Amino acid sequence: AQSVTQLGSHVSVSEGALVLLRCNYSSSVPPYLFWYVQYPNQGLQLLLKYTSAATLVKGINGFEAEFKKSETSFHLTKPSAHMRDAAEYFCAVSGDNNNDMRFGAGTRLTVKP
Amino acid sequence: DAGITQSPRHKVTETGTPVTLRCHQTENHRYMYWYRQDPGHGLRLIHYSYGVKDTDKGEVSDGYSVSRSKTEDFLLTLESATSSQTSVYFCAIMSSGSTDTQYFGPGTRLTVL
Repeated sequence: AQSVTQLGSHVSVSEGALVLLRCNYSSSVPPYLFWYVQYPNQGLQLLLKYTSAATLVKGINGFEAEFKKSETSFHLTKPSAHMRDAAEYFCAVSGDNNNDMRFGAGTRLTVKP
Repeated sequence: DAGITQSPRHKVTETGTPVTLRCHQTENHRYMYWYRQDPGHGLRLIHYSYGVKDTDKGEVSDGYSVSRSKTEDFLLTLESATSSQTSVYFCAIMSSGSTDTQYFGPGTRLTVL
């Protein structure tokens, strides 16, 4: 089965600073990888996904992630944080069976003025 | 917006009582999922459905049952609620046009006293 580890349950950055949220995965088959964002009291919203078409994936709200097979990583970045980016972010992985998606524990991003 | 609604959005119940949560979708998607979200665990799959009357267990299915008698509705039942089932429950669908991506409903916050 696949698994995901998100490094850092809380990340705090200043407005305008680089955002880096780390995700490492384990999968015995070529993975599909996802980043979701959750704002308070809401469901999860898809930010971006990797499905082997390109290793650098651009998503909504200025976020992007790079798939690095050699490092089994799929880190999420944004060059300049905005206050509205404050939320919880989840990395997820699925393999051959798209009904077995596994989520990381989540990283809460705080943006300081 | 994947046209997913969940009801109720909030519920408080007592240990030992039965509880049913409803997920309703308007876009005729074949695959539907129930997850629970707990701090430190991300989202974990409870059950999923791949068609009317076709369901299967997920990672944390003990104490839960599901039913899908029509395409648009997927019900999650706790036959006898326990305090360990206090959680936020999310329904998701897999888009027919994007067979590797799940989209989530707004969630139901369940408290078992």
